[in-house]
Amino acid sequence: SYELTQSPSVSVSPGQTATITCSGDKLGDKYVSWYQRKSGQSPLLLIYQDAKRPSGIPERFSGSNSGYTATLTISGTQAMDEADYYCQAWVNYIVIFGGGTKLTVL
Amino acid sequence: QVQLVESGGGLVKPGGSLRLTCAASGFPFSDYYMTWIRQAPGKGLEWVSTISRSGTTIYYADSVKGRFTISRDNAKSSLYLQMNSLGAGDTALYYCARIVVGEESFDIWGQGTTATVSS
Repeated sequence: SYELTQSPSVSVSPGQTATITCSGDKLGDKYVSWYQRKSGQSPLLLIYQDAKRPSGIPERFSGSNSGYTATLTISGTQAMDEADYYCQAWVNYIVIFGGGTKLTVL
Repeated sequence: QVQLVESGGGLVKPGGSLRLTCAASGFPFSDYYMTWIRQAPGKGLEWVSTISRSGTTIYYADSVKGRFTISRDNAKSSLYLQMNSLGAGDTALYYCARIVVGEESFDIWGQGTTATVSS
């Protein structure tokens, strides 16, 4: 079965750039979305179709997808960005989520 | 405003059943595919099921196939998840979410309702 693999945790200092990756077989051939889930809140769509931002999502969030890896980049990371981040893709009418990456802003 | 509100969660014994409801408002419900996604305690997001606009096309995760049934009532702007033969592994916070077809993403999520399976 298809899997999306994310590193369990990433740490970053305030103001620095955080990079969260998601890997899967030929992932670049699929559309990837990214979600942010803060403690006690519902998930929030950050990125869709690899690199598009919904209205209201800050420009510091960006995405890319090529080959076997999709990447979520958070530029100028803020304390409020501390959360769990999940990648997601559709594979043959089935939705696959990555295991999630906990971002810690030190 | 655009809103999804889940209800129907609770405590149920192993082998029991629950029916979750998701009430939609603020958008034309019948224009959207809808989905259920769950998150077990300490775990990540897990897709459960998706239903098309008319309800004629349905997909299930292998983990719930044959036990869960997704349905919708467009006249009531409501989405349902009938959960039967529940086990401890079904204990989770269940979210309903709206799908943007073509964008292949979930753009609106409810606050979730918790199902706990325990004796």
